[in-house]
Amino acid sequence: EVQLVESGGDLIQPGGSLRLSCAASGFTVSSNYMGWVRQAPGKGLEWVSFISGGGSTDYADSVKGRFTISRDNSKNTLYFQMNSLRVEDTAVYYCGKILSDSNGWYQFDHWGQGTLVTVSS
Amino acid sequence: DIQMTQSPSTLSASVGDRVTITCRASQSINSWLAWYQQKPGKAPKLLIYKASSLESGVPSRFSGSGSGTEFTLTISSLQPDDFTTYYCQQYHRYSPYSFGQGTKVEIK
Repeated sequence: EVQLVESGGDLIQPGGSLRLSCAASGFTVSSNYMGWVRQAPGKGLEWVSFISGGGSTDYADSVKGRFTISRDNSKNTLYFQMNSLRVEDTAVYYCGKILSDSNGWYQFDHWGQGTLVTVSS
Repeated sequence: DIQMTQSPSTLSASVGDRVTITCRASQSINSWLAWYQQKPGKAPKLLIYKASSLESGVPSRFSGSGSGTEFTLTISSLQPDDFTTYYCQQYHRYSPYSFGQGTKVEIK
């Protein structure tokens, strides 16, 4: 059974840094596309980043240059390093497994439960 | 980047009603569209992928259609568990992922 468990969310001051973790089980992170989606309080879903099985990465313009997606294959865990945090980064952050094959990448087919990041002074 | 526009933002309906939610893309995405259901405080749940394919385990009252720039999610007979929020998402290869703004289905 596929499971994703996020952790690391916290209350952090503007300008600070935080690292989110997403521990996976039931599949191999390094063989799949994985991504992060966030949801500000009372708002809709916003895609922020993904990493391919080969290690290619992509980011939404809103986080490019500040956030970094990575993984630890030995721990089967996805990470999201968030630097220079802003008030507008406040959100629940979800990690997700992205369905993919040799032709490309597709929809999120499994999601974690989310972890709350609050950026406030 | 491709923008996704959902309508309506809120939909009032009764148990047993047939409801339709529309999602429009700012440019053609072929059939690269998914629909998710999200309940308060929970992660999204995949319902439909590739515009019209039903995810395993999802009740058959949910269906999707469309291609190009216009898509619909239909619930054929609304059940009490279906009163929540729905999002579309495009995953066209040559554009960053993007979601619609969501449609809340509420009890009339």
